[in-house]
Amino acid sequence: GAVVSQHPSWVICKSGTSVKIECRSLDFQATTMFWYRQFPKQSLMLMATSNEGSKATYEQGVEKDKFLINHASLTLSTLTVTSAHPEDSSFYICSAGEGTGYNEQFFGPGTRLTVL
Amino acid sequence: KQEVTQIPAALSVPEGENLVLNCSFTDSAIYNLQWFRQDPGKGLTSLLLIQSSQREQTSGRLNASLDKSSGRSTLYIAASQPGDSATYLCAVRNTDKLIFGTGTRLQVFP
Repeated sequence: GAVVSQHPSWVICKSGTSVKIECRSLDFQATTMFWYRQFPKQSLMLMATSNEGSKATYEQGVEKDKFLINHASLTLSTLTVTSAHPEDSSFYICSAGEGTGYNEQFFGPGTRLTVL
Repeated sequence: KQEVTQIPAALSVPEGENLVLNCSFTDSAIYNLQWFRQDPGKGLTSLLLIQSSQREQTSGRLNASLDKSSGRSTLYIAASQPGDSATYLCAVRNTDKLIFGTGTRLQVFP
């Protein structure tokens, strides 16, 4: 099956710093990638949809200036949490699919972000 | 706006029992529905994908059904094992996005 990787798997940072999370599709070209956030014991909440070569589409309530998404190639999307604060601590998961978002999505293993 | 709800929120059963997890959604105009498993602190493992034209899908001890008109899906787990302990999430797609349910935390004890 299709494989999606994320790096790092976990990160701890100080408040006010920026953190970049990478999402890669290893064996297919991902035209569309999705970023989710999951708080403890809660479900996944879609943050944004990114399409290769164009600007990301953010869900309502998600600050686009705080969560910068770049999808520069068909195998890589990055999420940068700028000026992170403790309330940004969460589990971030990406998914990728071939073609449009209507196709099956494959999920990465997630990145645990802890902001001190 | 699509809303997805799962019942029960948590379930604890002895090994060997047959289980039914429920998922309901408010907008029946879906393309497909997918069941996932998530172990603590881990990503998602896809279990079953049911297209809107299908009624059910089976994989091993798992069987998922879909009643699109009533906005419901069930995941049936036969002969549960301690290794089945995890959170089970259903997700529906009715545009290009997956909308996730609230999840069912399952614990199977020996």
